[in-house]
Amino acid sequence: GQQLNQSPQSMFIQEGEDVSMNCTSSSIFNTWLWYKQDPGEGPVLLIALYKAGELTSNGRLTAQFGITRKDSFLNISASIPSDVGIYFCAGLISNFGNEKLTFGTGTRLTIIP
Amino acid sequence: DGGITQSPKYLFRKEGQNVTLSCEQNLNHDAMYWYRQDPGQGLRLIYYSQIVNDFQKGDIAEGYSVSREKKESFPLTVTSAQKNPTAFYLCASTEGQGALGAGELFFGEGSRLTVL
Repeated sequence: GQQLNQSPQSMFIQEGEDVSMNCTSSSIFNTWLWYKQDPGEGPVLLIALYKAGELTSNGRLTAQFGITRKDSFLNISASIPSDVGIYFCAGLISNFGNEKLTFGTGTRLTIIP
Repeated sequence: DGGITQSPKYLFRKEGQNVTLSCEQNLNHDAMYWYRQDPGQGLRLIYYSQIVNDFQKGDIAEGYSVSREKKESFPLTVTSAQKNPTAFYLCASTEGQGALGAGELFFGEGSRLTVL
C-alpha cells in the first residue's frame, strides 16, 4: 500500500527558530494536507494543497505541494510555544470515485525554553 | 458551537470484554470515520460511513464493529476479537465531496482505551 515517509520524526528547537519538515512518497497524490495534533487532542487541519507546485500560507505556516506530486513540505517561521505538538502530513488519491487518504507518521515538535 | 464529541475520553477494559466508544457530531456532516492512532504511527482507518445505515471497512476493521442509525452518531465497538486494542481512537467527519471530503477531516478529541 501507499506509504508516506515523514521527517524528521522529532525536532527540538528554541523559541523563535524556523522549522521545516517534509513528507515523501513513492506514489503520487491529488491533494496534500497538513494537520497538527496537540497533546491529548484530535488533529486539526492547518493547510490543504490541491495543485502540484502550489504554495500556500496560513499565518506563520507555509506549505508546498511538490511538482512531482510525491512530496510536500511545511515550514513554520518564528516558532512560539503553542507550536508544540505533532504535525502530520496526509496524501489523498482519488481514482474513478475511489479515494484513499494516507497519513504520515508525524513530526513531534518540542520547544526548548 | 458545532463539533464532534467523543466519549469517554479514557476507558479501561479487561481482556475479553467488548467496549463501545461514542461519537456524536452536530456539524450536519454526511460522512464519519474512525481512526486508530498508535505511538510513532500514522492514523489508520478502521471504518467509515458516507450515509446513514451504510458503512464500509477501512484498512484495519478486524475486531471492530460500527453502526450508523442516525446522521449524528457513529459508535465504535471494540470487540474481544481485537488482538491489540490498547490505542487512541479518533472519530472524524467531513462535509462530503466524495468519500473523504477532499481529505479535510474534522476530528473529535479522541478516546484512549487501555486493556488491562
